[in-house]
Amino acid sequence: AQSVAQPEDQVNVAEGNPLTVKCTYSVSGNPYLFWYVQYPNRGLQFLLKYITGDNLVKGSYGFEAEFNKSQTSFHLKKPSALVSDSALYFCAVRVISGGYNKLIFGAGTRLAVHP
Amino acid sequence: EAGVVQSPRYKIIEKKQPVAFWCNPISGHNTLYWYLQNLGQGPELLIRYENEEAVDDSQLPKDRFSAERLKGVDSTLKIQPAELGDSAVYLCASSARGGTGTDTQYFGPGTRLTVL
Repeated sequence: AQSVAQPEDQVNVAEGNPLTVKCTYSVSGNPYLFWYVQYPNRGLQFLLKYITGDNLVKGSYGFEAEFNKSQTSFHLKKPSALVSDSALYFCAVRVISGGYNKLIFGAGTRLAVHP
Repeated sequence: EAGVVQSPRYKIIEKKQPVAFWCNPISGHNTLYWYLQNLGQGPELLIRYENEEAVDDSQLPKDRFSAERLKGVDSTLKIQPAELGDSAVYLCASSARGGTGTDTQYFGPGTRLTVL
C-alpha cells in the first residue's frame, strides 16, 4: 500500500542545535515528496519539495531535506533551530490512486524548540 | 499576491443543521482542492477540481457533502445535515495545475467547524 510515515509524534530540541524531523514513504513509481509547516490556527505553509535532481533540497526559512531512495526517506533538517520554528510539520507524498494524482500526508510531527 | 482565502474562519452549529464553506483560490490557479483535517492528523483530500470540473471526488461522502466550483474560480463546500463527527478543520488549497502531481499546493487558513 502507498503510504507516508512520520515516526515521531514530537521532537524536542534546544535553540541553536540542529534538528531533524523524519519521514519515510512507500509509493509505486517516482516519489514526489513535500514538506509543509502548520502554525496554530493557520493553514499549511509550503517549505520544500523533491521532484527530481539533487537529493539535497533547500527550502524556506533555512530548512533543507535529503531524499534517500535506498532508505525511502525524506528527512527535514535545519542546522540551527530557532524557538520560532516550533510548529507542526507534515510530510506528504504524491500517490496515484484511482488513476489520479493526489497527496497523502503523514500524521504530523510537533517540533518544540526550547530556549 | 493574495493567498488562498477562506471564510468563515470558525463556525459553530448544532447537529442536523446545514453549513457552507467558501474558498477563493490564488489568481490563475486552475486546480482547487478541499481537504478535511481532523485533530492530530494530516489533511485528507475530499475533492479536487480542474477548472470547473470535479476530477477526483472519491473521498467525498456524497450522502451529505456537496461541492461546486461555478465558473472555475471560487468554490463552496456544503454539508447537509451536519453530524457530530464532522467537527474538524476544512482546508482549501490551490495549485497552478494538478495533473502531474508535481505542482505545489498552497493552502488557505481553513475553517474550523464545531458541531454541537
